[in-house]
Amino acid sequence: GAVVSQHPSRVICKSGTSVKIECRSLDFQATTMFWYRQFPKQSLMLMATSNEGSKATYEQGVEKDKFLINHASLTLSTLTVTSAHPEDSSFYICSAKEGLAPVYEQFFGPGTRLTVL
Amino acid sequence: SQELEQSPQSLIVQEGKNLTINCTSSKTLYGLYWYKQKYGEGLIFLMMLQKGGEEKSHEKITAKLDEKKQQSSLHITASQPSHAGIYLCGADIMGREGSNYKLTFGKGTLLTVNP
Repeated sequence: GAVVSQHPSRVICKSGTSVKIECRSLDFQATTMFWYRQFPKQSLMLMATSNEGSKATYEQGVEKDKFLINHASLTLSTLTVTSAHPEDSSFYICSAKEGLAPVYEQFFGPGTRLTVL
Repeated sequence: SQELEQSPQSLIVQEGKNLTINCTSSKTLYGLYWYKQKYGEGLIFLMMLQKGGEEKSHEKITAKLDEKKQQSSLHITASQPSHAGIYLCGADIMGREGSNYKLTFGKGTLLTVNP
């Protein structure tokens, strides 16, 4: 199957700093990428959907200015957590697919664990 | 709001026992996915179901999608400790803007298998 990588796998930062997480599709072109967050013992919650070259679509309750998403190329999307606070500590997972329709399989990255002190 | 209802939320079984996890939607599902995850790790794709009445098996895991494409079940036969983890059902839901499908998840089922 296709491979999606995330970097870094773990990051610890101080409150008030910004953190950037990268999501890359390694062997396919990802028209669409998704960002999820997951709290302990909870399911994945979709944060936003990004299509290459256009603005991301955020889910209700997700702050656009807090979580900046850039899908600059067909293989790279970045999530920047701005002015991070301890409540932003979570497991962030990205996923990517080649096309919009459900027939295209969605491939998940291994996740990034963010800890804000 | 959670568009997929998954049950049970947690399940503890003795090794060797069979178990079933259910996933229900009020809407017709275009694609139903089952994943396994250990918290803090990525998702492991198990199966995808698209057609009403479809059933797929992999090793000791069988997944079914009902004829109306609104309910799916995941069945594990003769469970083993290696089956322990979080099982997530996901479905393609039409985005608000009407042009994008997004994979959203149920709340997950935490499975513990006692040796």
